[in-house]
Amino acid sequence: DAKTTQPPSMDCAEGRAANLPCNHSTISGNEYVYWYRQIHSQGPQYIIHGLKNNETNEMASLIITEDRKSSTLILPHATLRDTAVYYCIVRARANAGGTSYGKLTFGQGTILTVHP
Amino acid sequence: DAGVIQSPRHEVTEMGQEVTLRCKPISGHDYLFWYRQTMMRGLELLIYFNNNVPIDDSGMPEDRFSAKMPNASFSTLKIQPSEPRDSAVYFCASSRQGRGNTIYFGEGSWLTVV
Repeated sequence: DAKTTQPPSMDCAEGRAANLPCNHSTISGNEYVYWYRQIHSQGPQYIIHGLKNNETNEMASLIITEDRKSSTLILPHATLRDTAVYYCIVRARANAGGTSYGKLTFGQGTILTVHP
Repeated sequence: DAGVIQSPRHEVTEMGQEVTLRCKPISGHDYLFWYRQTMMRGLELLIYFNNNVPIDDSGMPEDRFSAKMPNASFSTLKIQPSEPRDSAVYFCASSRQGRGNTIYFGEGSWLTVV
């Protein structure tokens, strides 16, 4: 799986948008970009994923550049409860039959601190 | 729907004792994963199963670790004998083929070996 690069930490004011960048310059055509987060003492939580188009759900938006070498996770109105470690992961598409399932390989992530 | 359920949530045991961690995946999911998280190494994939069959156990640290999945709704991760360096949070996760393959994690089992 392609490696990702994220800033180790970021701050954001409550109520403002949090924009978390991720570089994945070696991503290949069959690899997705996934975002998870881990709030202290909890299991990782799925946020969103995409292949090449921008994606939005109730939690966040994912903007993927046209060349797919980088992406940005946007939390539109950050709250104190969004303080967590955010992981950007590049994951291969699963192979039918499960013999080559896309592994979810976690890096160090970005520690996002939302302050009042 | 109930999420991935793990037990025990916390365990403290003495070095040399056997430890068994348990996991119930989300109903209908056909993939099950065991991860370990430590400060030094972060989140590591230990092993995963598809339809109860182990597919990749290359992350299992050594022979003291073993994992089984006797049926679609239950899996165990066993450490025998346990050592202090096994102290970590162990996460179980599951997913379903074809549903975006999103992997959902349990809340983890916090293991301390003294």
